[in-house]
Amino acid sequence: EPEVTQTPSHQVTQMGQEVILRCVPISNHLYFYWYRQILGQKVEFLVSFYNNEISEKSEIFDDQFSVERPDGSNFTLKIRSTKLEDSAMYFCASRGDTYEQFFGPGTRLTVL
Amino acid sequence: GENVEQHPSTLSVQEGDSAVIKCTYSDSASNYFPWYKQELGKGPQLIIDIRSNVGEKKDQRIAVTLNKTAKHFSLHITETQPEDSAVYFCAASKTGNQFYFGTGTSLTVIP
Repeated sequence: EPEVTQTPSHQVTQMGQEVILRCVPISNHLYFYWYRQILGQKVEFLVSFYNNEISEKSEIFDDQFSVERPDGSNFTLKIRSTKLEDSAMYFCASRGDTYEQFFGPGTRLTVL
Repeated sequence: GENVEQHPSTLSVQEGDSAVIKCTYSDSASNYFPWYKQELGKGPQLIIDIRSNVGEKKDQRIAVTLNKTAKHFSLHITETQPEDSAVYFCAASKTGNQFYFGTGTSLTVIP
């Protein structure tokens, strides 16, 4: 069964450093998403991406964040200058023609 | 924006009993309501969803009901099994893109 994959599973970084989280969506999907989950809190929407551009974004997704689909398979989330409060689990998701979003296993980001 | 509330935050049931998790939403324009199951160390997995044009949907031991007037929807799991133990999240969406999640319910099924 096709699945969304994410790398790395755990990323530790120093405050102020840039990080890139990587995702490989399901191959025939056209809509891509990033969510985050701070420990013990709700899963929160960050951004949706379709046809090589951002279609929706939340207030969390400020100028420090960017997304890219650099090739036909990867979908990345970049945080330019990490803060302590960026520590969270980051989930990538993708969908096809239906509303069903398929989630990856997540990347745990720890900012020290 | 949309606000989704979920109750209870924890739920323990005996194996074989039923479990019910309830969610409310605030935006009457929301029209898609998925339920996700998250096991330890994994991403959320869709277990059932419902669109606003139906009131109930069932898939084997799992059912979801939707009351658009009251703006609430519920997950029902019958004949619970230990492998049903996980965290369950409800969500609401009006575009199919931005999902608003509830706070999650940690379900424990006691053998």
